Amino acid sequence: DTEVTQTPKHLVMGMTNKKSLKCEQHMGHRAMYWYKQKAKKPPELMFVYSYEKLSINESVPSRFSPECPNSSLLNLHLHALQPEDSALYLCASSQRQASVEAFFGQGTRLTVV
Amino acid sequence: QKEVEQNSGPLSVPEGAIASLNCTYSDRGSQSFFWYRQYSGKSPELIMFIYSNGDKEDGRFTAQLNKASQYVSLLIRDSQPSDSATYLCAVTRYTPSKLTFGTGTRLQVTL
Repeated sequence: DTEVTQTPKHLVMGMTNKKSLKCEQHMGHRAMYWYKQKAKKPPELMFVYSYEKLSINESVPSRFSPECPNSSLLNLHLHALQPEDSALYLCASSQRQASVEAFFGQGTRLTVV
Repeated sequence: QKEVEQNSGPLSVPEGAIASLNCTYSDRGSQSFFWYRQYSGKSPELIMFIYSNGDKEDGRFTAQLNKASQYVSLLIRDSQPSDSATYLCAVTRYTPSKLTFGTGTRLQVTL
């Protein structure tokens, strides 16, 4: 099983809403990642969790708040987003942080209105 | 200078031909090199990785790495219409674990 599952697949939210993106993997991977990808651009790293601890935060605005409840789950809490935050949000996992063979989920297409 | 550079394309090749995708990188400390395929609206899918200079073959795909020239390429033999996608080159040092992606090359395989 090499699957990383993200929910929801699509999300439309207003600028005053609070929502959460969820990511789950059952490969026993201990590193999980959030990426943001705008149209026709490469993925940009947002956060890295290693052994359930935040190890990299790429200076992401505080309106994005990651959470890693356990080794299989990674959430991204969204609050007071802006229209420019509309993008494809990708979760990925790898065996460990030094193992960079990352497997991506299918992504959540987020539209902020 | 961008950290990872790719020609955005589109690169158009006829079905059955060899597609050659190129990538250059600026960080000489880069140790690991990856090729991801991304269909429109979908997430990236890892298709090849290479760590050592030389060639690495996997089915119809061959990755080539030349660290001295800071160059990595992907060859796709017997190209199929289903290979039409954007191919992302990604590089990283071992520590910290951060993939840096190129902007991708769009490949079109024509009938």
